[in-house]
Amino acid sequence: QSVLTQPPSVSGAAGQRVTISCTGSSSNIGAGYDVHWYQQLPGTAPKFLISGNNNRPSGVPDRFSGSKSGTSASLAITGLQADDEADYYCQSYDSRLSGSGVFGGGTKLTVL
Amino acid sequence: EVELVESGGGLIQPGGSLRLSCAASGFTVSNNYMSWVRQAPGKGLEWVSVIHSGGNTYYADSVKGRFTISRDISRNTLFLQMNSLRAEDTAIYYCARIIGYSSGWYDYWGQGTLVTVSS
Repeated sequence: QSVLTQPPSVSGAAGQRVTISCTGSSSNIGAGYDVHWYQQLPGTAPKFLISGNNNRPSGVPDRFSGSKSGTSASLAITGLQADDEADYYCQSYDSRLSGSGVFGGGTKLTVL
Repeated sequence: EVELVESGGGLIQPGGSLRLSCAASGFTVSNNYMSWVRQAPGKGLEWVSVIHSGGNTYYADSVKGRFTISRDISRNTLFLQMNSLRAEDTAIYYCARIIGYSSGWYDYWGQGTLVTVSS
């Protein structure tokens, strides 16, 4: 059971917009800690996608954006492309767990 | 260019020990927060351990007392010593650099090394 809750799967047609939610609690997202997002393509290591302040590494298009409100966060992907099909993970920090980064359970994005 | 390369994984019997290495280039390990994250087959990411630039270390409850994170400044390498291994430790183990301290993000990841605990 992950500390951060994500939907197991989402899907959208090419060109559409999808959002992936990440729900936490008062000891992590609700405490004001940033939420960061990662993309994992099949058979590869996770790749940093976007940080809590919407910092994107070079090469990540601005079709990807993050937001946060209360105890939840969301990753939005606009203009869906076939190569966006991957697993997406949110990550934050939990003050109850010393030193610990915490991850969501992951969401499989399918591009129809 | 930043690069992380893990090694040391393999097949090990329950109760055995293994030491994973993560060789870094393009930055100094000891100046950064560094972490190990694992992924069991078909499962999500699980945070395992972190070492702060100041040397403080922290562990997930599932590995506390069995795993030890450390670093070698001269070799610019991160380690994870894993003892008393269990079947549930079977996973791909990734090392990652953290930007922004404990609540920061993992900006670079290694390719991972597979640990299989089985008799």
